[in-house]
Amino acid sequence: GEDVEQSLFLSVREGDSSVINCTYTDSSSTYLYWYKQEPGAGLQLLTYIFSNMDMKQDQRLTVLLNKKDKHLSLRIADTQTGDSAIYFCAESFHYGGSQGNLIFGKGTKLSVKP
Amino acid sequence: DAGVTQSPTHLIKTRGQQVTLRCSPKSGHDTVSWYQQALGQGPQFIFQYYEEEERQRGNFPDRFSGHQFPNYSSELNVNALLLGDSALYLCASSSDTLTRTDTQYFGPGTRLTVL
Repeated sequence: GEDVEQSLFLSVREGDSSVINCTYTDSSSTYLYWYKQEPGAGLQLLTYIFSNMDMKQDQRLTVLLNKKDKHLSLRIADTQTGDSAIYFCAESFHYGGSQGNLIFGKGTKLSVKP
Repeated sequence: DAGVTQSPTHLIKTRGQQVTLRCSPKSGHDTVSWYQQALGQGPQFIFQYYEEEERQRGNFPDRFSGHQFPNYSSELNVNALLLGDSALYLCASSSDTLTRTDTQYFGPGTRLTVL
């Protein structure tokens, strides 16, 4: 079955690195995503990784994928107060060449203390 | 380049009523997906529309229906509203070509409250 798990809360100090973790159960997923949601807003795509990669870096963001353990992480370097939000991990699949739906975790609430 | 837009922003209905939510996809996108996000939860997939047809459906009852128009915009209809239908409804658009990513771009959502 499809399931995505995340820890619910993370608190860090401004300037530190944040690491948000996610586990998924379906090894046939093709893409894995990180979305950010600020209070009262929709979801903002942060970054994604294809399932045959093990790392992707994009400015302050580093995504690590351990396909054997079905573990995905998002590291935010030099975390700022503006990074405070809920972060969702999501997986998607291709069905016969068509795009699949996204399966989301419950989200990790990141609090950044000045 | 306008992103995904949704209307209305907020909506209050009573139990048993019907509601229609609207979505305009990002320019160049032809696929629209709808998600329901209950308070404190991650978004749950409702259905996806492509070429004016429902292509995939999540685990939602038939009270949830949709439509896609020739200009790719979409509507989500919910009949016989229940208190549990109160949620943020998110629309996401994407392109159905087999591109490097499967990226879905989300709108700001419609907050539905059922009293």
